[in-house]
Amino acid sequence: ETGVTQTPRHLVMGMTNKKSLKCEQHLGHNAMYWYKQSAKKPLELMFVYSLEERVENNSVPSRFSPECPNSSHLFLHLHTLQPEDSALYLCASSQDVGQTSYNSPLHFGNGTRLTVT
Amino acid sequence: LAKTTQPISMDSYEGQEVNITCSHNNIATNDYITWYQQFPSQGPRFIIQGYKTKVTNEVASLFIPADRKSSTLSLPRVSLSDTAVYYCLVPPGDSNYQLIWGAGTKLIIKP
Repeated sequence: ETGVTQTPRHLVMGMTNKKSLKCEQHLGHNAMYWYKQSAKKPLELMFVYSLEERVENNSVPSRFSPECPNSSHLFLHLHTLQPEDSALYLCASSQDVGQTSYNSPLHFGNGTRLTVT
Repeated sequence: LAKTTQPISMDSYEGQEVNITCSHNNIATNDYITWYQQFPSQGPRFIIQGYKTKVTNEVASLFIPADRKSSTLSLPRVSLSDTAVYYCLVPPGDSNYQLIWGAGTKLIIKP
């Protein structure tokens, strides 16, 4: 149990489908993140939410749409994806965000392995 | 812009002590060094964080010299289950939220 739960663990979708990834954190943290990890590439930050407000959108295509209804839940809505979007999508949380967050460790879920066909 | 450099890969054997060194020449005065471990198809897991000298927990030790331009993660008596990728991270200094994740060090433990 990592304290951060992601569902589903695996997802296969066609390019015209709409699907959503879900993340829930049970740690009482104030910040939540979406990361993308492609094969043989470093983790890439996609979005950051602080107290349910989006504070960072790292030049992510609009076919990825995040939603943070409360400080414990984070969604990533997927629409009209491309095969190159296939990757491991990781959700993380931390106690604080912003300059103070660097010394506040990230807690990751185990990710959703997404395959776009 | 703070950046880290660590070996791409390392091999060792069960029962040995493994030391992975990371260089971070431009680390800012108030910033910590943080290490994560990642197994295949799982999210990274926080291992240890430190600011100076030595930090030890139940998993590892972190040694940081006085100039703080490098740090060494020490894993005592490794086992096969310690085979993983290990990331050294420091804040980049030019972003409020971005941590720069490199390729990490792929550690392979052999029987």
